[in-house]
Amino acid sequence: RKEVEQDPGPFNVPEGATVAFNCTYSNSASQSFFWYRQDCRKEPKLLMSVYSSGNEDGRFTAQLNRASQYISLLIRDSKLSDSATYLCVVGPSGNTPLVFGKGTRLSVIA
Amino acid sequence: DAGVIQSPRHEVTEMGQEVTLRCKPISGHNSLFWYRQTMMRGLELLIYFNNNVPIDDSGMPEDRFSAKMPNASFSTLKIQPSEPRDSAVYFCASSLAPSVISWGRGQGEAFFGQGTRLTVV
Repeated sequence: RKEVEQDPGPFNVPEGATVAFNCTYSNSASQSFFWYRQDCRKEPKLLMSVYSSGNEDGRFTAQLNRASQYISLLIRDSKLSDSATYLCVVGPSGNTPLVFGKGTRLSVIA
Repeated sequence: DAGVIQSPRHEVTEMGQEVTLRCKPISGHNSLFWYRQTMMRGLELLIYFNNNVPIDDSGMPEDRFSAKMPNASFSTLKIQPSEPRDSAVYFCASSLAPSVISWGRGQGEAFFGQGTRLTVV
């Protein structure tokens, strides 16, 4: 089993739609969880941290389920500018502080 | 703050040549990472330094790759000799974090440089 697994997509959704991404991780000892966003030909940037209690930032909601080793990201009222690749990030794993998933590509269509 | 600075932004080289990628982390950060990104394999960690000391280099593909961090403000990733399969985007990232064994809730956000796009022909 890969350390961090994501559905690669692409997810093609119309503007205004709600879209959810899921991610599973294999190391039950992981303590830190993040969602990063990567625009085409750019570097990854932190979108939000994921806390056990779940957290929300505007249209974005992140959830963590430790028992199932599962993380989710919900985007409400999608905008064209949300089009990007969303990377699930988990750490630590052994000596590695952060492990990145391969990302889920989102295209929001007008 | 200028953020993580990488150079060069683009590098085209012939197979067999030596390539050196450079990184200046954010001042005050104590962790530095080198990643390689390809379409097939995604973002792979090559090596991780904490307080200038290499902690995990298990991701370094083979002996052709080497990385150094002579001080807190500079790191290099060298490929010698380069091969076409090394073509990728190489990212450097830095973070302010405690030692890896005490990473906790929400700690350890990594800030990435703009990357070096390497093409080996």
